[in-house]
Parts: sequence; C-alpha cells; structure tokens
Amino acid sequence: GENVEQHPSTLSVQEGDSAVIKCTYSDSASNYFPWYKQELGKRPQLIIDIRSNVGEKKDQRIAVTLNKTAKHFSLHITETQPEDSAVYFCAASMNFGNEKLTFGTGTRLTIIP
Amino acid sequence: KAGVTQTPRYLIKTRGQQVTLSCSPISGHRSVSWYQQTPGQGLQFLFEYFSETQRNKGNFPGRFSGRQFSNSRSEMNVSTLELGDSALYLCASTSGRTNTGELFFGEGSRLTVL
Repeated sequence: GENVEQHPSTLSVQEGDSAVIKCTYSDSASNYFPWYKQELGKRPQLIIDIRSNVGEKKDQRIAVTLNKTAKHFSLHITETQPEDSAVYFCAASMNFGNEKLTFGTGTRLTIIP
Repeated sequence: KAGVTQTPRYLIKTRGQQVTLSCSPISGHRSVSWYQQTPGQGLQFLFEYFSETQRNKGNFPGRFSGRQFSNSRSEMNVSTLELGDSALYLCASTSGRTNTGELFFGEGSRLTVL
C-alpha cells in the first residue's frame, strides 16, 4: 500500500521567516495530495491541496509544489505568523474524492515571536 | 450548517471491554470515514462508508468494525480492547461525490484503555 514520509517532525522558525515541510510518497498511482493543519486540541482542517496534473498551487502565504518524477511534494509558508503554529499533515490518495487518505506522521511547526 | 459531531468526546475503558463511537456527518454528506490518531503515528485510516456500504478499509484487525445507517450516521466498534487502542478516533465526512476532496473532521473521541 501507499506510504507517506514527512520531514521534519518538528520545525521552529522566527516570525516573518519561511517554513518548508517535505513529504515523499511511494505509490506512483497517487494523484491527490492535501495538506491539513491541526491546532492544539482542535480538529484537522484542509489548508491546501494539489492534484497530480498540477506542479504548483498557491493560496496567499501558502504554496504547495509537486514533483511526480521524484514522488515528493512540499508545503511552503511565507511570512510566518504566530497563528501558523500547529501540526501540519501531508497526505496522499489514489483518487481525488477518495476518502482513503494515507497521512504522513506530522510536523509540529512553532513560530517564535 | 452544523459540523461533524462525534460522541462521546472522552471515555475510559479497561482491557477486554468493547466500545462504540458515534459520528453524525454534515447534513447532506453521504461518506463517513474513520481515522485513528496517535502520537508519532499520525492519522491512520480505519474504514470508509458510503450509502451504508463499506467502500474502503484500512489495515486494522477485525476487532475494529463499523457501520453506517440510512441517515448517514456512522458508528465504529472496537471489541476486546487493548492498551494500544488508546487514541483519538476521528470521524470525517464528505459528500462522497468525485471532485470533492476535502474531509471535514469532527473533534474526535478520545479513548483511554486502562
């Protein structure tokens, strides 16, 4: 089955700096890659996603890049703010709209004021 | 529109007991999936139901089971509880149609097995 590896497990950045989280997946059939943010004690929420027919997607300070050949995708957060502090999970699935997601183990991002 | 509701929010059981968790999806959503969240393991897929049928299943033992009712509400059951079953169990719903992607999670049921 699919396996998703996520790095780093923890990340601390100064407020205003950029943060990058990287994930690799094993199954070349995967074609949908969402990112979820989970604040302390709260439910995971989708922040951005990308399909395999797209190389990059941006939404304000957040961007995701996908390299299908290398089977890795990354989350980029620019101009970080304290409210960006959370655990971020990458995931992969083989069908957009398929609710069986394989998640990475998460990255705890801490923004230092 | 009300979000995904899970009950109970917290529960404590002892080894060997069984537990039933409930999930009410967002109105109109027909797909309900379940995930187990543990520290260091992230979220692991248990199963997904759509229109009362199990459509996908993860790699968990048969002690973990679920079902979905005609109103799309779902329950999951864990029998013969083990210490390692202590976790946050998250339910998520979507419309179940293609091109909808986003999972809407509930706040979870935190199970502690003693």
